[in-house]
Amino acid sequence: GAGVSQSPSNKVTEKGKDVELRCDPISGHTALYWYRQSLGQGLEFLIYFQGNSAPDKSGLPSDRFSAERTGGSVSTLTIQRTQQEDSAVYLCASSLSRLNTEAFFGQGTRLTVV
Amino acid sequence: AQSVTQLDSQVPVFEEAPVELRCNYSSSVSVYLFWYVQYPNQGLQLLLKYLSGSTLVKGINGFEAEFNKSQTSFHLRKPSVHISDTAEYFCAHRDTNTGNQFYFGTGTSLTVIP
Repeated sequence: GAGVSQSPSNKVTEKGKDVELRCDPISGHTALYWYRQSLGQGLEFLIYFQGNSAPDKSGLPSDRFSAERTGGSVSTLTIQRTQQEDSAVYLCASSLSRLNTEAFFGQGTRLTVV
Repeated sequence: AQSVTQLDSQVPVFEEAPVELRCNYSSSVSVYLFWYVQYPNQGLQLLLKYLSGSTLVKGINGFEAEFNKSQTSFHLRKPSVHISDTAEYFCAHRDTNTGNQFYFGTGTSLTVIP
């Protein structure tokens, strides 16, 4: 596609429910990243994919968070048993595998847990 | 440890005045450096990047940044700002060896006053 696409753009969920956030990276980009941006905060790294594998999951805040990537393309970030502190904007980015390239970001999914 | 420090969380400046947004990084290896801009309710957009060569890098919208290796800094500058430059600005780096993630600063909110 022309850019990184994330869906849904907004999600309101009740505390304790599970949510799935989707990311469609730019075609041909093998690296994919998930970041979380809380109100007034910077970008918190969650997980990095190279192809379908995740060599760096160090940023996932708890075992309620998981992510997968299939076919070297679409990625899904799943949050189980959501808590109010999970409310944030979840940003997905992709880049070419070459190290000297930038990350291209999607518009984000704004998650609100009520 | 790798990190990025943006020294100013908020910068107000009058229209047509010059501005400098400060960024310092910490890394034990050589890095690539980036500045991103985030307009309200949007994802991040690349302003400019330093990969190698000339330490003065020019980007979009009249912005430029200078890489200073001895001071580990990558400050962003614009000689004359416009109202439309009001946004959040993020500095980031990626190491040149593995580049598994982009390390972001906490952001600087630039407000241009008419």
